[in-house]
Amino acid sequence: DAGVTQSPTHLIKTRGQQVTLRCSPKSGHDTVSWYQQALGQGPQFIFQYYEEEERQRGNFPDRFSGHQFPNYSSELNVNALLLGDSALYLCASSQQGRTYEQYFGPGTRLTVT
Amino acid sequence: KNQVEQSPQSLIILEGKNCTLQCNYTVSPFSNLRWYKQDTGRGPVSLTIMTFSENTKSNGRYTATLDADTKQSSLHITASQLSDSASYICVVSPASGGSYIPTFGRGTSLIVHP
Repeated sequence: DAGVTQSPTHLIKTRGQQVTLRCSPKSGHDTVSWYQQALGQGPQFIFQYYEEEERQRGNFPDRFSGHQFPNYSSELNVNALLLGDSALYLCASSQQGRTYEQYFGPGTRLTVT
Repeated sequence: KNQVEQSPQSLIILEGKNCTLQCNYTVSPFSNLRWYKQDTGRGPVSLTIMTFSENTKSNGRYTATLDADTKQSSLHITASQLSDSASYICVVSPASGGSYIPTFGRGTSLIVHP
């Protein structure tokens, strides 16, 4: 049983560019949450998707957007990249209503130069 | 504002020694508290989860305690091993019928030396 997978593992982009990160949830999970983790900090909640809709959102600008597909996989899109967007982006999956039992993926390391 | 504060920020111990990490939170109403272990550049892995009615939970050499009255939790690591070197993150989830956003601490960085 595969756990949460994310791609790519690492990514280097230039300021102003756009990036798309991908996440496949653990088998049996229908809810996907995205987090941003800056170096030396705890993860910060970006948003959560369930039934292909954004259900909750943290304190992130509209440059951060997402999508969930019918197979529950999800994408995180970031437009107009800033140097401060450099971070580890974590995806976590869970069953609806059981977000406290979420499982994290290995993360995507994004570097903006 | 919901907050989770962890201490110490970093800790260095010798292999075989015990250590205790602290977590204080202001999340209210409170649903559950989790401790995660995160290796550098990797995703967090859950160690323990406790609801407000539980005051201790063990997972091998890891023992978490919870005092819901004082809003404090601790993670005790027994007989530390080199592989325990990681960041330990405390996460508190609110009890809410609708919105749910967990609050993460900044983590305690543990280094175990031989």
